[in-house]
Amino acid sequence: QVHLVESGGGVVQPGGSLRLSCAASGFTLSNNAMHWVRQAPGKGLEWVAFIRYDGSNMFFADSVKGRFTISRDNSKNTLYLQMNSLRPDDTALYYCAKDGNPYSNPAGYFESWGQGTLVTVSS
Amino acid sequence: QSALSQPASVSGSPGQSITISCTGTSSDVGAYASVSWYQQHPGKAPKLLIYDVSNRPSGISYRFSGSKSGNTASLTISGLQAEDEADYYCNSYTTSATLLFGGGTKLTVL
Repeated sequence: QVHLVESGGGVVQPGGSLRLSCAASGFTLSNNAMHWVRQAPGKGLEWVAFIRYDGSNMFFADSVKGRFTISRDNSKNTLYLQMNSLRPDDTALYYCAKDGNPYSNPAGYFESWGQGTLVTVSS
Repeated sequence: QSALSQPASVSGSPGQSITISCTGTSSDVGAYASVSWYQQHPGKAPKLLIYDVSNRPSGISYRFSGSKSGNTASLTISGLQAEDEADYYCNSYTTSATLLFGGGTKLTVL
């Protein structure tokens, strides 16, 4: 049974940094492509970032490119999203999602989702 | 990149069928057979309904079906039930190697 648990959200000032974690269980992270997707309060879904199963390729939405990085620790079966230079419009619930195509690059889909962790960027 | 275009709201009575459209361009919906659909109930995480235009994951009711013609994808829900009331989102891979969501459609079951 796939289970994803995000953590690391909180309140941060504009310009600050935050690292989100996504602990995976029920499958091996290193064999699967993964995504981060966010949802601003009362708004729709926005794809944020992708990492290929082998970590060889990463892709980002234009809105976060150059500020966010995605990584994984296979020994901990955990996915990360490092967020720097945060802005108020980064305020959102951040979900990690497992791609339904393990070898997606990144033309896949979001097969399993966590419950999300809330990031609030405010002074 | 602008979101894919979905109607803000649709409604239908129990037992009826409804269709939600998702309009993009030749750089996203029209370019690949990589369209997916998600259902989201209030306060819950999204749930995958359809992937690769028309494939249903295991456990998803046959009442949900997907199709695509040109730059427009569609989700049809037949035999509407009260529990289908939710927000629905489409998603497509793009020629920029990104993934793009639609703005979302609120389905009301009358």
